[in-house]
Amino acid sequence: AQTVTQSQPEMSVQEAETVTLSCTYDTSENNYYLFWYKQPPSRQMILVIRQEAYKQQNATENRFSVNFQKAAKSFSLKISDSQLGDTAMYFCAFMSPQGGSEKLVFGKGTKLTVNP
Amino acid sequence: NAGVTQTPKFRILKIGQSMTLQCAQDMNHNYMYWYRQDPGMGLKLIYYSVGAGITDKGEVPNGYNVSRSTTEDFPLRLELAAPSQTSVYFCASRGLAPNNEQFFGPGTRLTVL
Repeated sequence: AQTVTQSQPEMSVQEAETVTLSCTYDTSENNYYLFWYKQPPSRQMILVIRQEAYKQQNATENRFSVNFQKAAKSFSLKISDSQLGDTAMYFCAFMSPQGGSEKLVFGKGTKLTVNP
Repeated sequence: NAGVTQTPKFRILKIGQSMTLQCAQDMNHNYMYWYRQDPGMGLKLIYYSVGAGITDKGEVPNGYNVSRSTTEDFPLRLELAAPSQTSVYFCASRGLAPNNEQFFGPGTRLTVL
C-alpha cells in the first residue's frame, strides 16, 4: 500500500518570504500522480498543484512550484512571496491509476502560518 | 455550477442513532468519494464509487454504508453511531482522466455524544 509522509507538522514564514514544505511517498509503481491540497480555516479543500510522475519537468502555478525527485520519492512544495492568505493546512496526496479506485492517499498535513 | 454540495454542515448525534449524510455533484463526474478527517490527520477514504450502481470499500468502511443510484448523488449512511465516528466528513468527485482534480464539498462536522 502507498504511504505519504509529511515530516513537518507545523511551519511558519514571514510575509513575502519563501517556504518549502516536504513530502515523501512510498510506492512500487512507475505511473502515478501527486498533488498538493490547501485547507484554509474555512475547511474547504483546494487543489494547489499537481504533478504527473511521467513528466520530468516540475509543475508550477504562479507562486507555487514543486521539486519532484522521482528516484528519491520526494515531492516538496515551494511557496514564493508568501501571503497572509497562504496560512492553511497543506496536504500532500498520491494517486495511482491502477486498481480502479484512483483514490487519493493523503499525508497528515503541515500547518503553515504566514506572519505579517 | 454548484460543484459538490453536502448537507448538513453540522450535526450532533447520540450514541446508537443513525443518519444519512447527503452529497450531490452537478459536474457529471463518474468518480465519487467519501473521506473522513480526524483532528490533526489527513483524509482517509471510507467508500468510493466509479459510477452509478457501483460502490466499493475504502480504508475505513466499518460502521458506514453507501449507495449510488444516480450519477449525481452519493449518500453516506451511519448506522448505530459511535463516538469514534466523530469527525469531519468530506465528499469529493472527479472526472475520468487520472490527473483530474478531485473537487471537494465543504464538509460535514459530525459529533457523536
